[in-house]
Amino acid sequence: QQQVKQSPQSLIVQKGGISIINCAYENTAFDYFPWYQQFPGKGPALLIAIRPDVSEKKEGRFTISFNKSAKQFSLHIMDSQPGDSATYFCAASEEGAGKSTFGDGTTLTVKP
Amino acid sequence: KAGVTQTPRYLIKTRGQQVTLSCSPISGHRSVSWYQQTPGQGLQFLFEYFSETQRNKGNFPGRFSGRQFSNSRSEMNVSTLELGDSALYLCASSLDSWEKLFFGSGTQLSVL
Repeated sequence: QQQVKQSPQSLIVQKGGISIINCAYENTAFDYFPWYQQFPGKGPALLIAIRPDVSEKKEGRFTISFNKSAKQFSLHIMDSQPGDSATYFCAASEEGAGKSTFGDGTTLTVKP
Repeated sequence: KAGVTQTPRYLIKTRGQQVTLSCSPISGHRSVSWYQQTPGQGLQFLFEYFSETQRNKGNFPGRFSGRQFSNSRSEMNVSTLELGDSALYLCASSLDSWEKLFFGSGTQLSVL
């Protein structure tokens, strides 16, 4: 019940297009949903996060959409750029649980 | 503010040996978590320390252990190394482990 399922595994988008990555969770006790971006040779870096009392959060070109009833959340990258090419991980955590549960990652390639 | 520092960056060991990895968290962060990242298993939670106490532990064998010092620096130890222990070991610091995680660049461990 701790699993977070992420799709797709890989994604190729043209420059200027919209990248969409989806995640689904099962544990309804999760109350913090971050997205991390990882470049080769680096650790993951927090990109944007949302709590379940909000259905959408936008920061620049990055938007999280959250559907509590469906237990799903997604990352939208608008006007995708080659510099956005990286691996993206969704995660979920529960206050007091002391850990984050990560999806398996999506490798995004933005073609110029 | 300096980020999370992990040393060494790369390690090559042989089966049966032991290894110690080090992590210096962001100043002021008392929570340090360790994750194992492999291509097949994604990011798996190892354990979390807060104020020198292990608060949470993942599903790893007892060969994996850790500790945290009074200055919040943490070490992770793996004894009797196996080939399957080859992975990127990531340390993350946070104010509290269930929220924003700040990752180091990791230690790439290769077991031959």
